[in-house]
Amino acid sequence: GQQVMQIPQYQHVQEGEDFTTYCNSSTTLSNIQWYKQRPGGHPVFLIQLVKSGEVKKQKRLTFQFGEAKKNSSLHITATQTTDVGTYFCAAIIIQGAQKLVFGQGTRLTINP
Amino acid sequence: DAGITQSPRHKVTETGTPVTLRCHQTENHRYMYWYRQDPGHGLRLIHYSYGVKDTDKGEVSDGYSVSRSKTEDFLLTLESATSSQTSVYFCAISWTSDYNEQFFGPGTRLTVL
Repeated sequence: GQQVMQIPQYQHVQEGEDFTTYCNSSTTLSNIQWYKQRPGGHPVFLIQLVKSGEVKKQKRLTFQFGEAKKNSSLHITATQTTDVGTYFCAAIIIQGAQKLVFGQGTRLTINP
Repeated sequence: DAGITQSPRHKVTETGTPVTLRCHQTENHRYMYWYRQDPGHGLRLIHYSYGVKDTDKGEVSDGYSVSRSKTEDFLLTLESATSSQTSVYFCAISWTSDYNEQFFGPGTRLTVL
């Protein structure tokens, strides 16, 4: 079964609205990475979080890693049409095979 | 973008035929991966390599084999393609391990009729 659950699967927003996607696991994660895939493109690495409670920002994007290292979120403030795409989280599960496991992704569409 | 190419970019084939996809990198990265991407499943690892002639299975390896005879090339073979293997296949590379970021190739869209 899916070890890293990502919600929502789809999100449609008006340009300028905020957007959040969540990544959850029932087991502790070693790290979490976030990727963005534009329509028709390939995944591109955004960031990696490693420490419990870690928060990192990239302009309008804020990434958080939960205190228990079982969940993470990506928040985009004031979306722009360039934010369109699918956002994936990926994590290495402690006690697992030490391979990166990807969530199902959240597809973001924006009404200009 | 990292120097990763995949060939072919598109392929249509028939059930039962063998298919080989190629991933080529110019970055001298040690780790290489093959993923498949299907709606609702995200990216799932098929096989990976941690060095020349060193490969291992991922979570969806049945029906696939790989080979890596040179650092720069990682081949994925479908011995006898089935319709369930219709997918988009991505190659990725990483400098040392899964604890580093992965760089993805442009993908190969494979259709098995």
